[in-house]
Amino acid sequence: DAGVIQSPRHEVTEMGQEVTLRCKPISGHDYLFWYRQTMMRGLELLIYFNNNVPIDDSGMPEDRFSAKMPNASFSTLKIQPSEPRDSAVYFCASSHAGQGAHYGYTFGSGTRLTVV
Amino acid sequence: LAKTTQPISMDSYEGQEVNITCSHNNIATNDYITWYQQFPSQGPRFIIQGYKTKVTNEVASLFIPADRKSSTLSLPRVSLSDTAVYYCLVGVKGGGADGLTFGKGTHLIIQP
Repeated sequence: DAGVIQSPRHEVTEMGQEVTLRCKPISGHDYLFWYRQTMMRGLELLIYFNNNVPIDDSGMPEDRFSAKMPNASFSTLKIQPSEPRDSAVYFCASSHAGQGAHYGYTFGSGTRLTVV
Repeated sequence: LAKTTQPISMDSYEGQEVNITCSHNNIATNDYITWYQQFPSQGPRFIIQGYKTKVTNEVASLFIPADRKSSTLSLPRVSLSDTAVYYCLVGVKGGGADGLTFGKGTHLIIQP
């Protein structure tokens, strides 16, 4: 398996523009998570899905942020409009909660977003 | 989710054994203890997970005392490539019951 795949790896955009980050989880994983990492705040959980359904979006900072998971193999995180304070590395992770087994999360390589 | 406390930073030398201790006084009965490693410009990577006593894999060992209020990640004979941030997390059951909450982690620096 190629692991969790995120695109793009880097994104530089101007303030006010729409930004869409993409994630392909590991096949067979039923949980998908979006995290944001900055020096000041560390790793923050933004939202997570179970079987394509959003379970907890309490970490989404504002209405400017939205996330979707239209099917088991694809998710997007959208920021509209973007602001300089959104600059961070955004990680996607997936996991499988198998009965009687204990699995960790597999993270993607992240998208480094810079809003100027 | 149980809160964790771990040292902000540690340093050691190549070839030494490194032990990073994490406190989690409010751990619940069903909680597991999981450690992740993160290199610069990469996402965190799962290292090891345990519930009680000792767990060992090809990368590390995890020691958990009977009261489970703390745990120790042990890295045998570290090398320069073990320089990374190590996160201790508590509360994941089955890998996906709750979104993981990462703290600041421990910045481990290995010197030659």
